[in-house]
Amino acid sequence: DAEITQSPRHKITETGRQVTLACHQTWNHNNMFWYRQDLGHGLRLIHYSYGVQDTNKGEVSDGYSVSRSNTEDLPLTLESAASSQTSVYFCASSVEKSTDTQYFGPGTRLTVL
Amino acid sequence: AQKVTQAQTEISVVEKEDVTLDCVYETRDTTYYLFWYKQPPSGELVFLIRRNSFDEQNEISGRYSWNFQKSTSSFNFTITASQVVDSAVYFCALEGGQNFVFGPGTRLSVLP
Repeated sequence: DAEITQSPRHKITETGRQVTLACHQTWNHNNMFWYRQDLGHGLRLIHYSYGVQDTNKGEVSDGYSVSRSNTEDLPLTLESAASSQTSVYFCASSVEKSTDTQYFGPGTRLTVL
Repeated sequence: AQKVTQAQTEISVVEKEDVTLDCVYETRDTTYYLFWYKQPPSGELVFLIRRNSFDEQNEISGRYSWNFQKSTSSFNFTITASQVVDSAVYFCALEGGQNFVFGPGTRLSVLP
């Protein structure tokens, strides 16, 4: 069955380190999204991509970057992890642009010490 | 700017009670979409419904129903005869243009 996966599911890192969270979907969806989930804020959009080589900044993009070299993957990189980036990160994908239903991965819990 | 407000942070009900989760949104777009997602204790996000701004018909799906009222910018979600398995955090979301905004969520606890 087609699916969307995230790895690792849990990660602990130290302030200042570079961290990359992986997102892989097998639906062949053009559109992929990264969100962070924090108490009281719900889900906030970090970056999104509408296709290979396309990336766009979302609401809270500072300190994060993404690259889209193929349809299946949208890795999220924290250039220099900060404690404020401790959060749960969700990746999502959809067929059409953001108006379409988004299907979410299981989430990655990141702790920055 | 777009905004989604879910004023109820936490709700507790006893099984079989009906419960309504409120969602109020703000947008300047004339074309937009509204969503509800469920996040059970296991953590995954489950899509429940998508509604576009031109369709104000209420929708019913089993024990779930949604009331969309553009006049009050609300998209409320009602669970009829709640069950323990309905316990979760429920998120309302708004998409307009290229922005996708979630509300802060409402934690629903259904007690046996």
